[in-house]
This record gives sequence, C-alpha cells and structure tokens, in this order.
Amino acid sequence: EPEVTQTPSHQVTQMGQEVILRCVPISNHLYFYWYRQILGQKVEFLVSFYNNEISEKSEIFDDQFSVERPDGSNFTLKIRSTKLEDSAMYFCASTGSGANVLTFGAGSRLTVL
Amino acid sequence: ELKVEQNPLFLSMQEGKNYTIYCNYSTTSDRLYWYRQDPGKSLESLFVLLSNGAVKQEGRLMASLDTKARLSTLHITAAVHDLSATYFCALRSARQLTFGSGTQLTVLP
Repeated sequence: EPEVTQTPSHQVTQMGQEVILRCVPISNHLYFYWYRQILGQKVEFLVSFYNNEISEKSEIFDDQFSVERPDGSNFTLKIRSTKLEDSAMYFCASTGSGANVLTFGAGSRLTVL
Repeated sequence: ELKVEQNPLFLSMQEGKNYTIYCNYSTTSDRLYWYRQDPGKSLESLFVLLSNGAVKQEGRLMASLDTKARLSTLHITAAVHDLSATYFCALRSARQLTFGSGTQLTVLP
C-alpha cells in the first residue's frame, strides 16, 4: 500500500538552529499538508500546499516556517530559527484529487533544547 | 472559528463492555473523519462519513454522523485490549482538517 514517508524520524537541535523536515508524499497525490502535535495534545494544522504554492496556513505557520517542493517528489518544512515551543511531532500528509482521506506519514519528532 | 470537541477525553473500560465516544462540531462540513493513533505512532484512518445519517462499521467499531445535530459518535462493542489507543475525530473545512482533542481509550483485562 502506498505510504507517506518522512525523515528524519527524530531530530534534536539547539534553540535558534534551522531545521528541515522532509516528506515524500504518495506519488499521484496533489495536495500536501503539514500538521504538528505537541506531546499529549491534539493535532494542529500548519499549512496546505497545492500546485506549487501554499493554499492555506494557520496562525501557527508564521514567518519562521516555510514549505517547498524542490524536486517534484519531496515536500519540505523548514523552521528557520527554532524555539523551545517548536518541540513537537510533525506529520506530513497528502491526498489526491477527489480523494476522501488524508494519508499521514509516521511523523518527525523534533526536540529543541 | 471551527471548533471540534470530543468527550470523554479519557476512557477506561473493561474488556467486553460497550461504550460511545462523542464528537461535536460547531459548523457545517461535508466530511467527518475518525482516526486512531497508537502511542508514538502516526494517524490511521478509520472512517470517513460523508452525509447525514451515514453509518460505517469495521469490526468492533461503528461510526455515525448526524449533521443536523453536528454530532458524530464512535461506538465500541465488546471492547478488547487491542483497541487501546487515542481516537480523534476531525472535520474537514476547505481542504484541511480540524481535529478534536482526542479520546485516550484504555481497555482493561
């Protein structure tokens, strides 16, 4: 069964450092998403991406965040200068045109020290 | 602002018992989802409910949707330990999902 793959599975970084989280969505999907989940809390929407541009973003997705689809297969989330409160599990998801279900990746756990 | 509220947030139940998780939401939507999450794992899609009165069943889990009441339920029948997980409902608006807070279910032997 096709799956969304994410790397790294866990990253530890110092506050103020840049982090790039990578995702390979399912190959024929057109809509891509990043969500995050702070430990023990609910899943929160960050950003959606379609046709090589951001289609929606939440209040969480401020100027420190950016997304990119550099090569037609990868979908990346960059945090320019990490803060302690960015520590969370970050989930990538994708869906196809007309599809009902978002398929989530296994997540990338980010720990900011 | 779209709100999705689940209750209970925590649920311990004995094996073999039945229980229902409730999901209320604040605005109309065309799709409601139920996801399962095991500790430290990703979100696994369980059900997609598309219309009023929709009912879907998979094994010991049954989900229903009442769009007039803005309520979805996830009913657990004769619980078994393998069902222990956190269950999230999520509502679609535009093309993104708004999640409830989750219900952490523990099934005790």
